[in-house]
Parts: sequence; C-alpha cells; structure tokens
Amino acid sequence: DQQVKQNSPSLSVQEGRISILNCDYTNSMFDYFLWYKKYPAEGPTFLISISSIKDKNEDGRFTVFLNKSAKHLSLHIVPSQPGDSAVYFCAASERNSGGYQKVTFGTGTKLQVIP
Amino acid sequence: SQTIHQWPATLVQPVGSPLSLECTVEGTSNPNLYWYRQAAGRGLQLLFYSVGIGQISSEVPQNLSASRPQDRQFILSSKKLLLSDSGFYLCAWSSGGDEQYFGPGTRLTVT
Repeated sequence: DQQVKQNSPSLSVQEGRISILNCDYTNSMFDYFLWYKKYPAEGPTFLISISSIKDKNEDGRFTVFLNKSAKHLSLHIVPSQPGDSAVYFCAASERNSGGYQKVTFGTGTKLQVIP
Repeated sequence: SQTIHQWPATLVQPVGSPLSLECTVEGTSNPNLYWYRQAAGRGLQLLFYSVGIGQISSEVPQNLSASRPQDRQFILSSKKLLLSDSGFYLCAWSSGGDEQYFGPGTRLTVT
C-alpha cells in the first residue's frame, strides 16, 4: 500500500517557467511533509518542508503548498533552472508508537528543465 | 558540521555471497540512523532504523540484517545475497526531528 504517491514519473519544463510537482497521501496521521532532491548516484538532499498546521512554506524559488482536506501537496519551482533537473521525492512523516518519527517516501518525479 | 559516510560506493557480488555495508556519521551524538533501498524505478523503501546502540527495528521482512555496534556506526549485512537484493542503498541520519540527511549511497549489483 503506497501511502505517499507521486503519480507523475517525469516532467519537462522550459527554463524560466514554473515547475509544479504533485504528491498525494492517504494516511491522515502524517503531520509533517518534506521534499527531497536527488541527483543520479547520490543520496537525496533535503529541500523544503511544511508542517501540517500550515498551508504554505516558501524558501527562495521553492514553495510547498499543503491541502490537508485533499491530502495533497505540491512543490513549485519558479523560475526553473537547468540545475534543478533531478528526481524529486515527496515524503511524509508521522510519530509512531515508539516515539520515533517515521518518514514514508513517494516514488519520485524526474524533472527535466530544458534550456 | 555533520557528515555521513558510506562505503563502498559500488559493489558487484555473486548470488549467495555475504554483504557488509558500512555507514558512519560525524559531528553529532546519538543520531537516529536509517537504511533505505531504492530499487530500479521505485521510491525509497525503509529497511531498518535505530534510535541507539544495539537498538534495531526492521520495517520489512527480508534477507538483510542491520547492526549498530557504536553510536555513530550502522552496518547493513546479509549472509547470502539474492538477485533481488540489487539496488541503491542509502544510509541516513536524523537528530530526532523529521528531516533526514542522506549519505552518498552504495550501488549494489548482485550477479
């Protein structure tokens, strides 16, 4: 059962335009959401996050939106740059019975920014 | 600053051979440690996590095991590798919060 879903395996965007990456989740116990960026043959790097008590968080060119009622979050990159080309993983976190914050990752969306 | 190391970077092993991947973290104490696997075309699957020395929790039944002999050392092992163990293995750490910080990964190919 995939609790965090990224239904678009890939996305191509022109340089300078907006990139929108989407993520849906099913577990209502998730209380924190994260986006990671991954280049080939490297580990993912943390990009931006949002708490479930907020609906928007912005950091430079990156903005994450959360719609709790729809169980949907999105990552907006404006303007997109060729260096943004990577695989983006959506992740969601819940505190489990052991007090440990368990993070569940989506399957990733490969973004290609075309110069 | 904190850094996380994994080795080896790549590994080719025959079916039935043993496995040992090592992960170490520097610059922090008592981190939570994690092992993930990314199989081809799939997301990151949590294999093991540890909140302290000798404390290992397994998320999925499998052919692998993990150990934490020291505070900042996490080891992923197998006695006999299967073809299905091929993948990209990632170690990560956290300070107990939600953000996790990943190592460079190990590409394992079982032949």
